[in-house]
Amino acid sequence: QVQLVQSGAEVRKPGASVKVSCEASGHTLTNYYMHWVRQAPGQGLEWMGWMIPNGGATNYAQKFQGRVTMTRDTSISTAYMELSNLRSDDTAVYYCARSPATGIDQWGQGTLVTVSS
Amino acid sequence: EIVLTQSPGTLSLSPGERATLSCRASQRVSNNWLAWYQQKPGQTPRLLIYGASSRVTGIPDRFSASGSGTDFTLTISRLEPEDFAVYYCQQYGSSPHTFGQGTKLEIK
Repeated sequence: QVQLVQSGAEVRKPGASVKVSCEASGHTLTNYYMHWVRQAPGQGLEWMGWMIPNGGATNYAQKFQGRVTMTRDTSISTAYMELSNLRSDDTAVYYCARSPATGIDQWGQGTLVTVSS
Repeated sequence: EIVLTQSPGTLSLSPGERATLSCRASQRVSNNWLAWYQQKPGQTPRLLIYGASSRVTGIPDRFSASGSGTDFTLTISRLEPEDFAVYYCQQYGSSPHTFGQGTKLEIK
């Protein structure tokens, strides 16, 4: 069964960083594009960036350039997204999601990141 | 960055009716690489359509989509109670892979 299992909810203070993990099972991590998408409470979906399957190069939305880092550890089939210099408007559910060359066909369950002083 | 504008913001219809959702891009979507997703409260999005008009295996055939370039449409021919949800379009032809703001399909 194909699954993406994310780490649990996090609470951070403004200015801090958070690192969310996403473990893939039932498929090979390096065969798919891995995206990160976030959704603020009651809001729509926002694409943050992706990692390409071959070589692991990344591409980030300009909005997050300089604050986001996407990595992976293929030995444990896990992808990571780290967001730094957090602000209150970064409070959201963060999803990892995979795609073949089509749309996103599999989503993690989401990780709620709350930024509050 | 390609901006996707979905309309209407909210669509109120009754079961059995036909729903037509629009997604307009600020620039041409490369290769018509546009997807449609359905999201129900508390759930992750579900891919319905990719490549502007290709239905994902297992998605009922009452869902269809069309369009090219900058104008795209998702049609639900006869609404079932389980179809009431929020629908998003997303272009994945160029980075960033932007989403539309969503159309909420609610029961009238």
